[in-house]
Amino acid sequence: ETGVTQTPRHLVMGMTNKKSLKCEQHLGHNAMYWYKQSAKKPLELMFVYSLEERVENNSVPSRFSPECPNSSHLFLHLHTLQPEDSALYLCASSQAPAHEQYFGPGTRLTVT
Amino acid sequence: GEDVEQSLFLSVREGDSSVINCTYTDSSSTYLYWYKQEPGAGLQLLTYIFSNMDMKQDQRLTVLLNKKDKHLSLRIADTQTGDSAIYFCAETGTGKLIFGQGTTLQVKP
Repeated sequence: ETGVTQTPRHLVMGMTNKKSLKCEQHLGHNAMYWYKQSAKKPLELMFVYSLEERVENNSVPSRFSPECPNSSHLFLHLHTLQPEDSALYLCASSQAPAHEQYFGPGTRLTVT
Repeated sequence: GEDVEQSLFLSVREGDSSVINCTYTDSSSTYLYWYKQEPGAGLQLLTYIFSNMDMKQDQRLTVLLNKKDKHLSLRIADTQTGDSAIYFCAETGTGKLIFGQGTTLQVKP
């Protein structure tokens, strides 16, 4: 199994739906991250978990809710999203915060 | 606060060298990284340099670091069409990784 996997790869959801994005890392890392990548915007760090504890939340709206049940798995629960939330959501992991990060392929989310 | 700046676009001809530049503000950075993102994919770690080094070479890639000017560059020799992608520099500022906005490299045949 390759380093960091994400499912689903593509997701289309309505504004009233609830869905979850999943990330799994097989690298034995202790930190995991969610990023949002929108067209023509810098990469936005959303959440950082280190040793399963959230250590950073960059003022992300509450309609995004992360969950890190163990050091290998990270979820992003989505509810009542807005069209402007359409983006590529990238998961990454690293040995520790500020170490080099390894990225998953991303989930392309479209909110209709 | 910490900031990482890159030019947004670079176009080169196949076989030429590409130089992608990056400036950063955090002088306490320990490591600086270059990532590559191909269309529809996540970011792939290309190479990195430790802050006490001036240069690192890895096959077609050469990383130059000018710590005094806080300037980092990535040189790709003999650029190929498969090198077309977005290139991100990143630095380890105060316990987290700070990314630039990415440089789109277009390689013309």
